Amino acid sequence: AQSVTQLGSHVSVSEGALVLLRCNYSSSVPPYLFWYVQYPNQGLQLLLKYTSAATLVKGINGFEAEFKKSETSFHLTKPSAHMSDAAEYFCAVSTDAGGTSYGKLTFGQGTILTVHP
Amino acid sequence: GAVVSQHPSWVICKSGTSVKIECRSLDFQATTMFWYRQFPKQSLMLMATSNEGSKATYEQGVEKDKFLINHASLTLSTLTVTSAHPEDSSLYICTATKGSMGQPQHFGDGTRLSIL
Repeated sequence: AQSVTQLGSHVSVSEGALVLLRCNYSSSVPPYLFWYVQYPNQGLQLLLKYTSAATLVKGINGFEAEFKKSETSFHLTKPSAHMSDAAEYFCAVSTDAGGTSYGKLTFGQGTILTVHP
Repeated sequence: GAVVSQHPSWVICKSGTSVKIECRSLDFQATTMFWYRQFPKQSLMLMATSNEGSKATYEQGVEKDKFLINHASLTLSTLTVTSAHPEDSSLYICTATKGSMGQPQHFGDGTRLSIL
């Protein structure tokens, strides 16, 4: 079984400050990890993914995440927040369950990021 | 990039009505499509996995006779909510993947279903 825990349902930062959104996962097999962003009334957009290559993954809009196996973490960071980063962020894990369950995602509860001027 | 289209984007209907939602991959062949449900202020929960040409695999607690899924081609999957009730009101989101390990799922924008 796989699960994802996002610590903090709401995170608030000032514009220009560091963004840190926390994600811990549980998986019985090597995981594939994803971060998605959801703007109001829109679908999910992929920010970045970890697929067992480099542990530091760079994504779109200046975001990056580091896979730490020893900590079972995949925290999302951005050095300098922008007003346009305000959205809800979801961490997700996928494992190869084989057969017809190939690649299904388990999502965390989501973290709403607010950026203050 | 890969595009997934859902139709309709918004549905309002009376209790007891059946509603069909379409999910199309516009520029790639999707061997697998997934259907998720997102209640307000909650995360996405997987409802079922749909593979082209075979029966859908439903997650525990999801009624297969209420949520009918058909994946007749590599570019189209449909979800029919039969005899919908107010508690079925939710955002229904489909995703499509080429099926290779580690390939991200491409998301539709969702269908917001409101049952009166």
